[in-house]
Amino acid sequence: QKEVEQNSGPLSVPEGAIASLNCTYSDRGSQSFFWYRQYSGKSPELIMSIYSNGDKEDGRFTAQLNKASQYVSLLIRDSQPSDSATYLCAVRGSSASKIIFGSGTRLSIRP
Amino acid sequence: EADIYQTPRYLVIGTGKKITLECSQTMGHDKMYWYQQDPGMELHLIHYSYGVNSTEKGDLSSESTVSRIRTEHFPLTLESARPSHTSQYLCASSEFRTGSTDTQYFGPGTRLTVL
Repeated sequence: QKEVEQNSGPLSVPEGAIASLNCTYSDRGSQSFFWYRQYSGKSPELIMSIYSNGDKEDGRFTAQLNKASQYVSLLIRDSQPSDSATYLCAVRGSSASKIIFGSGTRLSIRP
Repeated sequence: EADIYQTPRYLVIGTGKKITLECSQTMGHDKMYWYQQDPGMELHLIHYSYGVNSTEKGDLSSESTVSRIRTEHFPLTLESARPSHTSQYLCASSEFRTGSTDTQYFGPGTRLTVL
């Protein structure tokens, strides 16, 4: 079992709809959770971080964390073609020594 | 905004050459990382450092070496490049202190092609 798991996709969502990206992790003591967006050929850029159970909103993006179920999700409202990218989930484990990245979910927003 | 820089951005070299990929950050971060990523594939951690004179190998075996003589500088060296080293190399840094978020910020990457 991978430490951080994501569905590789591609996830195809119509423009204007809500895109939902999910991530599960194996280390129950994990403390910090991050979502990165990576366009093809570019480096990852941080979208959001979340540390407490519940929802955290930033513009069109909402991160949701459920530590009991060991999953973190990212919702993108009013999806735009510019949101088409690979989304990486990253988790800082209980050892606090390293951040583990998932393999990413490829999101495609169709006009 | 992250202030982390990588040079060169693109490099095409012949087999057997020695190369050094540069990475610098101006944020005073203690932690620095090197990742290798092939197109469309996942990130693989190849080296990391928690501070000056501290370097560790990552999860993916790599023939490269790193050094950390200054906080802001974390160069990666390949003594003898081979076609199998063709990839994108990403440098990242984060703050390392109790209570910090440990958010990693990435440089723009170096795309290496070995002929």
